[in-house]
Amino acid sequence: EVQLVESGGGIVQPGGSLRLSCAASGFSFSVYEMNWIRQAPGKGLEWLSYISERSTTIYYADSVKGRFTISRDDAKNSLFLQMNSLRVEDTAFYYCVRVISGNHFDHWGQGTLVTVSS
Amino acid sequence: SYELTQPLSVSVAPGQTARIICEGNNIGRKNVHWYQQKPGQAPLLVIHRDSNRPSGIPERFSGSNSGNTATLTISWAQAGDEADYYCHVWDSHTAVFGGGTRLTVL
Repeated sequence: EVQLVESGGGIVQPGGSLRLSCAASGFSFSVYEMNWIRQAPGKGLEWLSYISERSTTIYYADSVKGRFTISRDDAKNSLFLQMNSLRVEDTAFYYCVRVISGNHFDHWGQGTLVTVSS
Repeated sequence: SYELTQPLSVSVAPGQTARIICEGNNIGRKNVHWYQQKPGQAPLLVIHRDSNRPSGIPERFSGSNSGNTATLTISWAQAGDEADYYCHVWDSHTAVFGGGTRLTVL
């Protein structure tokens, strides 16, 4: 069974940093492309970042470019999101998501909540 | 940047057919995917590449895509289908979501 489990969320002050992790299991993590997607409470879905197999290709949404960094450790079946210069508007549930051939998001984690507040 | 437009809400009587549209410029040229999200849960893929159902998704869920409109159709709507539904495409290496449609079965 495919499982994606996020961790690392919490409360942080504006301007602060946080590193999210996603532990993957139940599939060959290294051959899959992965993404981070977030959802502010009561709002819609917002795609943040994509990383290909072997980390050869990375994309970011304009809203986080230069502040967030996606990475992966295939030896540990893990996906990461380093978030710097956090803003109040970054408050959201952050989902680790598997994508199939750059198309559809077929498996989602349960999400981890990040709250940016003073 | 590419935009997808969905109605905020759609209502359907139990047993009837619900249609949720997703509008975008020449969306018919793109692969459209649909996700269902129930309160407190992560989104669930219900249709991929316009009209394909993942394993475990009932045949009552179907999709189409042409011109400037993609449509998610839910036949024989049930109370358990109440949820938010999001359409999704890729455009210039960016994943774009519609704003979401709240389906009410009443």
